[in-house]
Formats: sequence, structure tokens, C-alpha cells
Amino acid sequence: DAGITQSPRHKVTETGTPVTLRCHQTENHRYMYWYRQDPGHGLRLIHYSYGVKDTDKGEVSDGYSVSRSKTEDFLLTLESATSSQTSVYFCATERGLSGANVLTFGAGSRLTVL
Amino acid sequence: TQLLEQSPQFLSIQEGENLTVYCNSSSVFSSLQWYRQEPGEGPVLLVTVVTGGEVKKLKRLTFQFGDARKDSSLHITAAQPGDTGLYLCAGFNYGGSQGNLIFGKGTKLSVKP
Repeated sequence: DAGITQSPRHKVTETGTPVTLRCHQTENHRYMYWYRQDPGHGLRLIHYSYGVKDTDKGEVSDGYSVSRSKTEDFLLTLESATSSQTSVYFCATERGLSGANVLTFGAGSRLTVL
Repeated sequence: TQLLEQSPQFLSIQEGENLTVYCNSSSVFSSLQWYRQEPGEGPVLLVTVVTGGEVKKLKRLTFQFGDARKDSSLHITAAQPGDTGLYLCAGFNYGGSQGNLIFGKGTKLSVKP
């Protein structure tokens, strides 16, 4: 496994407050991803990174920003949290296998915005 | 927009029964992956299929990639309570951005003893 640690694992916050979720990996993988998982929607990509300071938007990037100042850390920031951002957030890193992009996921961060 | 449709959404069966989960799309994929997710944890890769018509077996689980690489199935023989979880398929295409792994919405399987 890639040794992915997400923090915090659970957070309750109020609408309008900033929130930062952290993903830390110990495998020196180049690619890192942030997904959100919601009932009826499955896993949706928020942002991803293909290297230090190199990031790009995913399917549902509005209201989120990311930063990657070190290979091992990928931060997801909600500048002003809204109730629609209540979700379970998963970080993933990529390992190559048989020519296909295969993801290794962290255990998730459950965020509740009141 | 590429979509992956999984069916059924929910499946509740008794231990020892067989089942099949389907993952269908109108799009062609370079490869397709199956993950299993248990409550409170992240998805864990089960298998990757790359070649059209490919069949892979993982103990009691059999995975098949359609000939046209648009669909896949997961068959579980003699299901056990330990098979309970959310099964996700994910399709990947080469080219374009790195973030082009498309996930289905999942099949939630419950196996009762």
C-alpha cells in the first residue's frame, strides 16, 4: 500500500468557515487525487496533482482549491464551506500496473457542514 | 461525457448464493478496474482488465471485460459474509489529462449468514 494518511478523519464545521483537509503519502508517488463520495453520485474527482506545484481541476472543482508544495502532501481547501460540501473526501495516489492507472485510496475524511 | 452504469445498485443475498454485478457504458475504455469498499474505509483495488474478452479470476470472484471494451462483469460464486461491501467499477482512457478515471456509482452487496 502507498501509506496514505488523511487528516482529520472527521470534522464538523459551520457554513462559511474555511476548512483544509490533508493527505500525506510515504511512497513518493507522483500523482495524487482528491475525490468526494456522495450517495447517488459515487466518486467524483475534485482536483488532482501530477507533481509538486502542478495541479488541475476535476469534474467538481468549484468551491475547492488545492496545493502541493511537497511530493508527499496534497492539501484540499474549502475557502468558505457550504452545506453542499458535506461529504466523505478521499485522497488517492497512483501506482502504475499493467499499463493502467490504478489508485490507492486513503481511509477518507468525513466532513459535515452545518 | 463518459458514463459507467452499474447494476444492480443494491443486492442482498444469502450466504452460498451466486451473483453477478454489471458495469456498462456506451464508451470504449482502455482498461477497467474493480474496487471493493468496506464501511469507513477507502476503495481497494481487486483487479484490472485491459484486453477485450479478458477473464480474470480471484478466488471465488471472476471478472470479465467485454469484447468491445465497453462493459464488464463481476461474478461471485458461493458468496460469503466477508464479500459484503460496495463494489465499484472504474474505466480508464489513455490520452488527455491524467484525471480521466471514470467511476460507476457502485453496487452495494450484503451477504447474510
